[in-house]
Amino acid sequence: GENVGLHLPTLSVQEGDNSIINCAYSNSASDYFIWYKQESGKGPQFIIDIRSNMDKRQGQRVTVLLNKTVKHLSLQIAATQPGDSAVYFCADLSGSARQLTFGSGTQLTVLP
Amino acid sequence: DTAVSQTPKYLVTQMGNDKSIKCEQNLGHDTMYWYKQDSKKFLKIMFSYNNKELIINETVPNRFSPKSPDKAHLNLHINSLELGDSAVYFCASSQAGTYGKLFFGSGTQLSVL
Repeated sequence: GENVGLHLPTLSVQEGDNSIINCAYSNSASDYFIWYKQESGKGPQFIIDIRSNMDKRQGQRVTVLLNKTVKHLSLQIAATQPGDSAVYFCADLSGSARQLTFGSGTQLTVLP
Repeated sequence: DTAVSQTPKYLVTQMGNDKSIKCEQNLGHDTMYWYKQDSKKFLKIMFSYNNKELIINETVPNRFSPKSPDKAHLNLHINSLELGDSAVYFCASSQAGTYGKLFFGSGTQLSVL
């Protein structure tokens, strides 16, 4: 079946640096992509989304980039803070049932 | 106030037992879900209900039976628990038409011994 995967399972960055988390997807019919953040002991939390007719979307300290040519999605976090330490998931939406499929997650650790 | 609440947070039980996890959302959403997260953090949808009607039922053993008494509640009952059922189970909800923006509960850690 189709899946959404991540290049790196773990990422460590210094506090204050920018973080980039990458994601590859395989379903060319996916038209909507979302990033979720899951802190330890909590459920995933919506961060930002992007539709397939866009290639960039910015939020507060976060930017999502979409490259449909190579089926690649990235999440950029500016000035990473300790509170950004979490597992980050990309997910895509496709099909008539509009089912959300999650990637395998990247553990982001912010170093002091 | 917690938007999506599920109970219990931890559930430890013996193989073969039957257990239930309850979920309630106070967001007024029409769609509710159950997701299973394994030890490698992989999240997989199990069920989706829209206005108390089942719309997604992934390949889940029929020992798992969701029940939606009203659109604010989606409970998960599991019969004859097996070791492989050990995982974290998340309830979630979403507004009609916004399928990608889910609000998750804090999870139920199920351990089958």
